[in-house]
Amino acid sequence: GAVVSQHPSWVICKSGTSVKIECRSLDFQATTMFWYRQFPKQSLMLMATSNEGSKATYEQGVEKDKFLINHASLTLSTLTVTSAHPEDSSFYICSARDGTRGNEQFFGPGTRLTVL
Amino acid sequence: RKEVEQDPGPFNVPEGATVAFNCTYSNSASQSFFWYRQDCRKEPKLLMSVYSSGNEDGRFTAQLNRASQYISLLIRDSKLSDSATYLCAVNGRAGGFKTIFGAGTRLFVKA
Repeated sequence: GAVVSQHPSWVICKSGTSVKIECRSLDFQATTMFWYRQFPKQSLMLMATSNEGSKATYEQGVEKDKFLINHASLTLSTLTVTSAHPEDSSFYICSARDGTRGNEQFFGPGTRLTVL
Repeated sequence: RKEVEQDPGPFNVPEGATVAFNCTYSNSASQSFFWYRQDCRKEPKLLMSVYSSGNEDGRFTAQLNRASQYISLLIRDSKLSDSATYLCAVNGRAGGFKTIFGAGTRLFVKA
């Protein structure tokens, strides 16, 4: 149990395009989902916290108009990187919290984004 | 000051060695504590939750000292397959249960 999927697993796009990444909890309802970004040889940096049916809460320094987060259902959250640029190239990982299982978060396999 | 700080590493140890990872956190309201393992280009995998009473899982022992806001992970009889990055993580209700990670400590176990 507690499986989280992400799609796509990797994506290459041209500078200026938008990319949508999906995060799904497959066997539980995720009251909260989190989006992280990890640059090479660095740790996971929390970008935003997403609660179903409400606006996401962004961490300091993360542009909410550039990284659009939608959490329309208890099993799906999406992150859209708008007008992507090469500096947005990174490993994007989502996690989901199942409120019935305490504070543990379950991570998706990540999406590697490369912007040319 | 970072919310979660870890030894910078990397640690290079021979097989069979015992290796200790240390972590400190700044938010005294933190409620839950974890050690994750992350392999190269993969997502982090939960290794252990950490409890005040300390907990052990085979060769791995984790301890928490709330007074000192300190978490540790001990790996005994290290194996080649233990080579990875070890991430300390904390979360709590005050932050909406968001998990904050340390920068990670890279471990290389060599034959």
